[in-house]
Amino acid sequence: NAGVTQTPKFQVLKTGQSMTLQCAQDMNHEYMSWYRQDPGMGLRLIHYSVGAGITDQGEVPNGYNVSRSTTEDFPLRLLSAAPSQTSVYFCASSQNTPIEETQYFGPGTRLLVL
Amino acid sequence: AQKVTQAQTEISVVEKEDVTLDCVYETRDTTYYLFWYKQPPSGELVFLIRRNSFDEQNEISGRYSWNFQKSTSSFNFTITASQVVDSAVYFCALSEAETGANNLFFGTGTRLTVIP
Repeated sequence: NAGVTQTPKFQVLKTGQSMTLQCAQDMNHEYMSWYRQDPGMGLRLIHYSVGAGITDQGEVPNGYNVSRSTTEDFPLRLLSAAPSQTSVYFCASSQNTPIEETQYFGPGTRLLVL
Repeated sequence: AQKVTQAQTEISVVEKEDVTLDCVYETRDTTYYLFWYKQPPSGELVFLIRRNSFDEQNEISGRYSWNFQKSTSSFNFTITASQVVDSAVYFCALSEAETGANNLFFGTGTRLTVIP
């Protein structure tokens, strides 16, 4: 099993550009989520999905869109990148909600918005 | 509102010393879960432990131990006989079963450096 994979590992964007951060898992997990990690802060939940076709907002959803067309994939879209979105982004998955099952995290995507 | 406080921003210890990482939490839920994650220099997050609010038994796993005390809203993590490989950022997190089972609220982390 590859676990949770994220691409790209590093990306530089200009303000206003759009891009998609990819996340895939091969553990047949129903629950997937996206977090961002900023210096001096803990991880904060952006969006999550409890299964294919179902998504919901987390703590900091503004500026991000998600979709879940398959169980395996959960892409995160930045429609118009802003410098405030410079961060490290982590995707995570678990068989059920985080309180019920261990969340497995991907290696992260480091995003720099100029 | 929920909150997780890790007051120790950075800690340095000499190898083989014991070290305790503090975690204090706030929640209004009666059912909640507490977690510890390790983030080594490579960047990925590694799950260490999950504990529910009804289980106050301390837990030991090798050199790691956790002390959960509801009376002080604390869930502290002790590493015994620290090793260089323990150098990492450690995060404490909280999830509330009644209001936020889908979300983990993380503390700001404690960076542990173990000096050889």
